[in-house]
Amino acid sequence: KNQVEQSPQSLIILEGKNCTLQCNYTVSPFSNLRWYKQDTGRGPVSLTIMTFSENTKSNGRYTATLDADTKQSSLHITASQLSDSASYICVVISGGGADGLTFGKGTHLIIQP
Amino acid sequence: DAGVIQSPRHEVTEMGQEVTLRCKPISGHDYLFWYRQTMMRGLELLIYFNNNVPIDDSGMPEDRFSAKMPNASFSTLKIQPSEPRDSAVYFCASSLAPPSGSGKTQYFGPGTRLLVL
Repeated sequence: KNQVEQSPQSLIILEGKNCTLQCNYTVSPFSNLRWYKQDTGRGPVSLTIMTFSENTKSNGRYTATLDADTKQSSLHITASQLSDSASYICVVISGGGADGLTFGKGTHLIIQP
Repeated sequence: DAGVIQSPRHEVTEMGQEVTLRCKPISGHDYLFWYRQTMMRGLELLIYFNNNVPIDDSGMPEDRFSAKMPNASFSTLKIQPSEPRDSAVYFCASSLAPPSGSGKTQYFGPGTRLLVL
């Protein structure tokens, strides 16, 4: 069964610190992996889309990595800001149909001043 | 562009009532998606359309749920009759690509928070 596991479930860090969120998956076959940021009360916003051949992709202070061999991805946030407080959702896509999308339950990140 | 527009933003109804959620995708996007999000199950894709045609509805939970897209700028998700377990946030998203389209982002609306009493 296709699964996406995210860790930690929740995380609290001080403003200015770095953090890394993990996403492990058992989805097969693999098409691409996406990280979304979801602010409270809003819809998810895409941060990165990573294909099989991409190891690292950056979007400002966000850097995503992908190891297709171990089926792991991480999202690193550098110099965190209060606005980074949100849920971060990992989604792995294996095909074109509705059952080809496997969602993680997200990591809830809180940045404290 | 105003982004994906959903209405209503909040809906409270009683069990057994019909609920209709509405979505206006981003102009020019060929694909429209309906999602449901709950604490227990996270995000789930319910159905998606391409050029107004339903492509895959395998995520729709049961016959009480139906979705239509009469034109390129409007879609509805209907629940009839509604049940308390349908309480969730329902998101609409649009994109230039199908779910497997690696180069194209899905843009989500603000969601409709549904509470069925």
